[in-house]
Amino acid sequence: RKEVEQDPGPFNVPEGATVAFNCTYSNSASQSFFWYRQDCRKEPKLLMSVYSSGNEDGRFTAQLNRASQYISLLIRDSKLSDSATYLCVVNGNSGYALNFGKGTSLLVTP
Amino acid sequence: EPEVTQTPSHQVTQMGQEVILRCVPISNHLYFYWYRQILGQKVEFLVSFYNNEISEKSEIFDDQFSVERPDGSNFTLKIRSTKLEDSAMYFCASSGLLGDTEAFFGQGTRLTVV
Repeated sequence: RKEVEQDPGPFNVPEGATVAFNCTYSNSASQSFFWYRQDCRKEPKLLMSVYSSGNEDGRFTAQLNRASQYISLLIRDSKLSDSATYLCVVNGNSGYALNFGKGTSLLVTP
Repeated sequence: EPEVTQTPSHQVTQMGQEVILRCVPISNHLYFYWYRQILGQKVEFLVSFYNNEISEKSEIFDDQFSVERPDGSNFTLKIRSTKLEDSAMYFCASSGLLGDTEAFFGQGTRLTVV
């Protein structure tokens, strides 16, 4: 079983749309959860951490359900610049290693 | 804004040759990491380094790989005898604290083994 699973997409949405990404993880001992964004052939960049109570940063909202081992990311009012691959990331048993999902591709069109 | 820097941005090497990839982590960070991403695949953990020693390594990080912090600022990854399958993007990352603190990634070194 893969440690972090994501729907690879691609998600093609018009500007202004709301889009949601989901992720599941297998390690119930994981303590830290993140969404990273990766542009083509670039490094992963931290988008936001994900907290149990849920958290929001502007147009982005992240949710964590520990019981279901499920993480989500909601993007409201999509912009062309949101086009990227969104990586669900979970830390492992020791806390040192980050386990990455393969990513969900988003394309926002005019 | 502080950032992780990596050199070179692209390295081409012949199979069997040794390569050293270099990184300068964010200056007040304590934990350093190497990850790799083979084209079209997910980012994979290689090794973490704290207090001048390896704190964790993955199955990928075999005897061909080594890491070093030769001075107060640089963090290097050495591949002793490169194979074709080592071709990938190698990312260095650093974080201030274990676990809960986010890791920040360098722009990567694209390694091509021919």
